[in-house]
Amino acid sequence: EDQVTQSPEALRLQEGESSSLNCSYTVSGLRGLFWYRQDPGKGPEFLFTLYSAGEEKEKERLKATLTKKESFLHITAPKPEDSATYLCAVQAGEYGNKLVFGAGTILRVKS
Amino acid sequence: DTGVSQDPRHKITKRGQNVTFRCDPISEHNRLYWYRQTLGQGPEFLTYFQNEAQLEKSRLLSDRFSAERPKGSFSTLEIQRTEQGDSAMYLCASSLVVSIGEQYFGPGTRLTVT
Repeated sequence: EDQVTQSPEALRLQEGESSSLNCSYTVSGLRGLFWYRQDPGKGPEFLFTLYSAGEEKEKERLKATLTKKESFLHITAPKPEDSATYLCAVQAGEYGNKLVFGAGTILRVKS
Repeated sequence: DTGVSQDPRHKITKRGQNVTFRCDPISEHNRLYWYRQTLGQGPEFLTYFQNEAQLEKSRLLSDRFSAERPKGSFSTLEIQRTEQGDSAMYLCASSLVVSIGEQYFGPGTRLTVT
């Protein structure tokens, strides 16, 4: 069964303190891995798509990387506005028509 | 386009009552998805439509849940005989067929069953 596990569950950083979030996955034939950001009381917001091992995507202070077993979301010099829950998802199902999400990592950045 | 909208944003109902939620997707998106999210968990897939056809439903989806997307535009999700375990955030998302992982989510409908 397709499965996504994220760690840590929660992460507290000081402004400017870089760190990484982990997403490990079990899927029969990866068709796509996706990162989303979710603010409290709102729906998830799409960030990145990764398709193959070695691929990297960047957006402002965020960089997503992918290996054959896991993905990392690196946050460089975070700011308080980066505080949110970060969700990882894989394309899943017999025909790859749905997403399976992890439970997310709650990130808090203090100034 | 203003994005995906959902109505109502909040719904409080008594156990045993029926509720219906509405989702208006981004107009050019032909895929529409429904998810359920509980506290501390990621969204859980319920069902999806391509245009007006419902193509997949989660095996975990009770018979009390039904969804429609008439004419391939807006969608409704109905829960019959609600139970306390149905309390959750119900999220709708839409996408293009060619970019299934790039889904645009609405703000959700928070359901509380008392």
